[in-house]
Amino acid sequence: EAQVTQNPRYLITVTGKKLTVTCSQNMNHEYMSWYRQDPGLGLRQIYYSMNVEVTDKGDVPEGYKVSRKEKRNFPLILESPSPNQTSLYFCASKPIALASDTQYFGPGTRLTVL
Amino acid sequence: QQQVKQSPQSLIVQKGGISIINCAYENTAFDYFPWYQQFPGKGPALLIAIRPDVSEKKEGRFTISFNKSAKQFSLHIMDSQPGDSATYFCAARSQGGKLIFGQGTELSVKP
Repeated sequence: EAQVTQNPRYLITVTGKKLTVTCSQNMNHEYMSWYRQDPGLGLRQIYYSMNVEVTDKGDVPEGYKVSRKEKRNFPLILESPSPNQTSLYFCASKPIALASDTQYFGPGTRLTVL
Repeated sequence: QQQVKQSPQSLIVQKGGISIINCAYENTAFDYFPWYQQFPGKGPALLIAIRPDVSEKKEGRFTISFNKSAKQFSLHIMDSQPGDSATYFCAARSQGGKLIFGQGTELSVKP
């Protein structure tokens, strides 16, 4: 089954404790992206990657890191989480061809930073 | 700066009624306008999309109306059903392929 998977689905942590949220897709998509969803703000892009070893900042990159060492994986790293990073996070992927712009989203990771 | 503004934030419609969600954008370089549907506990999924050279696109009970001169587009859900209850996001694609999302509309269809 074609899908984007994220782990963990739920995470409660404390301020300053480094964490990683994993994202994996099995559709051989070049483009991958991380979003955060907050009430009243919609989905805001954190980072994106056009292909392996190519990453770039989205609209709200502060406090986050990403890496793209393999085509299928795009982990999101919070080196020192803070309470304002409490949010619902989504990973998404799509093929790079502009004619097809359907983004496929993962199920989400709900993060709480105390 | 919110480049895509969506309204209303929440919407309650009776079963069988028409649900209408509106979006406005600023950047005339946007070239693709999708709508995503999100059920509780799930990620958003593409519902329907339109390109700016078309004024209307219909897929089943879902219709996008697009007004290029006004820089506005809207989603109409005809004969709304309780199963349509979800959060809906409009979006616009900028040059380079980045999607910019609206704030979302939480739709509740009452039986």
